[in-house]
Amino acid sequence: AQTVTQSQPEMSVQEAETVTLSCTYDTSESDYYLFWYKQPPSRQMILVIRQEAYKQQNATENRFSVNFQKAAKSFSLKISDSQLGDAAMYFCAYRPAYSGGGADGLTFGKGTHLIIQP
Amino acid sequence: ETGVTQTPRHLVMGMTNKKSLKCEQHLGHNAMYWYKQSAKKPLELMFVYSLEERVENNSVPSRFSPECPNSSHLFLHLHTLQPEDSALYLCASSQEDRGRNTIYFGEGSWLTVV
Repeated sequence: AQTVTQSQPEMSVQEAETVTLSCTYDTSESDYYLFWYKQPPSRQMILVIRQEAYKQQNATENRFSVNFQKAAKSFSLKISDSQLGDAAMYFCAYRPAYSGGGADGLTFGKGTHLIIQP
Repeated sequence: ETGVTQTPRHLVMGMTNKKSLKCEQHLGHNAMYWYKQSAKKPLELMFVYSLEERVENNSVPSRFSPECPNSSHLFLHLHTLQPEDSALYLCASSQEDRGRNTIYFGEGSWLTVV
């Protein structure tokens, strides 16, 4: 079974600074997807960034980028120029690649609570 | 505005009641999901429907009964729940094609069982 581990229950960063959230995962699959989701106090789960395992290039979305290390099974999220609106729970999630036999759901980590200090 | 809409947003029910949670997706997706998020556990996948057929049921108690009448609608029927079932229930959807299967979530339904 796949597992996702987020070892930082809480992180704090000054506004405008950079912060990195850690995630490791365990799988025997070679093809899969990794995601970071953000859950603000409204509790809606919002996609931040997505990475395909077969792509070597790290995904980026504006101020958000990942460091994907497939051999180490590591998938960290870097937030640059942190803003007050970035304060939220951040979840790392794993999903096997589509196998044709049906839809597989996401396996989530326990989340990291990100605090932005003004 | 989310492409996945859940109603009601908040529900309080007694242990002997029967109620339902509703989810509607406006994204043209062909798969829908129910997740449970409680305070002390990671998000748990409950049910998956692909092309309106249930493809996964993660050992969920029978007091939770899903229904997917078409690819746009998903229900979670609730009966004789326990207080420990109080949680946030998240509906989600995805389009199951190679390279397009990101899962998108609704805003959730808060359930309190008294």
